[in-house]
Amino acid sequence: GDSVTQMEGPVTLSEEAFLTINCTYTATGYPSLFWYVQYPGEGLQLLLKATKADDKGSNKGFEATYRKETTSFHLEKGSVQVSDSAVYFCALSPLTGGFKTIFGAGTRLFVKA
Amino acid sequence: KAGVTQTPRYLIKTRGQQVTLSCSPISGHRSVSWYQQTPGQGLQFLFEYFSETQRNKGNFPGRFSGRQFSNSRSEMNVSTLELGDSALYLCASSSQVQETQYFGPGTRLLVL
Repeated sequence: GDSVTQMEGPVTLSEEAFLTINCTYTATGYPSLFWYVQYPGEGLQLLLKATKADDKGSNKGFEATYRKETTSFHLEKGSVQVSDSAVYFCALSPLTGGFKTIFGAGTRLFVKA
Repeated sequence: KAGVTQTPRYLIKTRGQQVTLSCSPISGHRSVSWYQQTPGQGLQFLFEYFSETQRNKGNFPGRFSGRQFSNSRSEMNVSTLELGDSALYLCASSSQVQETQYFGPGTRLLVL
C-alpha cells in the first residue's frame, strides 16, 4: 500500500544553519505531496505542496521538489530560526476518489539560539 | 474565513464509556476527514465524509464511527472506550476542487 518514510528525529540545529529533512514515498501513480508543520499544542498547518513531478513547493523559506525518479520530496531551508522549532510531517494524497492523506512519522526539529 | 473548529478541545473519559467529538469545517468545504494522532502510531486516517456520505475509511474497528450533516458539520463517535483510544483527534476540511486539507486544533481525549 501507499506509504511515506521520513528521517527520524529529533534534529537539532543552531540558528541560521541549513535544514534538510528527507522524505521518500511509495504510491501508485502520481500522488500529491505535502509538508505539514505542527507547533506545540496545535493542529497541523500546511507548509507547502506539489501536485506533479518536478513541481517545487515553497513557503516561508522552505522548499521541496517532487522527484518522481527517486520518489522523494525532501524539505529544505537555507537558514533556520528558533521559531521553526516544530514537528514536520511529510504526507501524500493518493489519486483516488476523495481524501485519504497518508502521513510520515514526523520529524521533530529543535533550533538553538 | 473562520478556520476549522473542533469541540471539545479536551476530554477525559473512563474505559467502557462512549464519546462524541464535533468538527465544523471551513464555510463552503464539503469534505471532512478525521485522523487519530498518538505518539506510538503517529497520524492515522480514520474516515472521510463528503456531502453526508462516507467516501473513504481507514483501518479502525467498528467502535469508531462518524457522520456528516447537511451543513457539512461532522461528528465522530467512539464507543466502548479503551485505554489505547487516548489520542489527539484531528479533523480536516477541504473544498471539492482543492486538494489542500485544512486542519483544526484537535480534541485531546484521555481515557482512564
